[in-house]
Amino acid sequence: GAVVSQHPSWVICKSGTSVKIECRSLDFQATTMFWYRQFPKQSLMLMATSNEGSKATYEQGVEKDKFLINHASLTLSTLTVTSAHPEDSSFYICSVVGRGVNTEAFFGQGTRLTVV
Amino acid sequence: KQEVTQIPAALSVPEGENLVLNCSFTDSAIYNLQWFRQDPGKGLTSLLLIQSSQREQTSGRLNASLDKSSGRSTLYIAASQPGDSATYLCAVGSGGFKTIFGAGTRLFVKA
Repeated sequence: GAVVSQHPSWVICKSGTSVKIECRSLDFQATTMFWYRQFPKQSLMLMATSNEGSKATYEQGVEKDKFLINHASLTLSTLTVTSAHPEDSSFYICSVVGRGVNTEAFFGQGTRLTVV
Repeated sequence: KQEVTQIPAALSVPEGENLVLNCSFTDSAIYNLQWFRQDPGKGLTSLLLIQSSQREQTSGRLNASLDKSSGRSTLYIAASQPGDSATYLCAVGSGGFKTIFGAGTRLFVKA
């Protein structure tokens, strides 16, 4: 199956600063990647679909100006949390989905963001 | 809009018991269904993947079934162990290759 590498695994930042999270597809080219957010004791909620070479598609209620997504290559998507606030503290995780016969979703290890 | 529901929300059982976790989804137009395990503060571990054309998958003590027409899946865990304690997430592969998750079942297996 696909290997998805996410970095960093955890980060602590000060309120008002920006944080960038990287998601890499190590063994296949991903034209589409997905970003999820998980608050404590809640499930994973899809935030946005990252499209290589074009704008990301955001789910309802997700601020596109706050969560900047860049998918400049077939193996890398980045999520930047801009002007982070304590309420942005969460677990962020990315995924890629196989195409063709195998449509399994593969997930990165996740990034735990704490804003102080 | 696809919605995924998991029942029960939490479950506590003695070691050795067989148990069933339930998942239902509102839109039967899925291309697969996956069951994941998540330990506290950790990422996802994929347990079983059922393609839309399949009815069940087995891995060790785990068996998952899929009834796409009725929008249901079950995860059967045989002879539960304390190490099985975790949150189990059901997720469906839906339109646009998006994966939609249920809220999870928190399982605690008592020694």
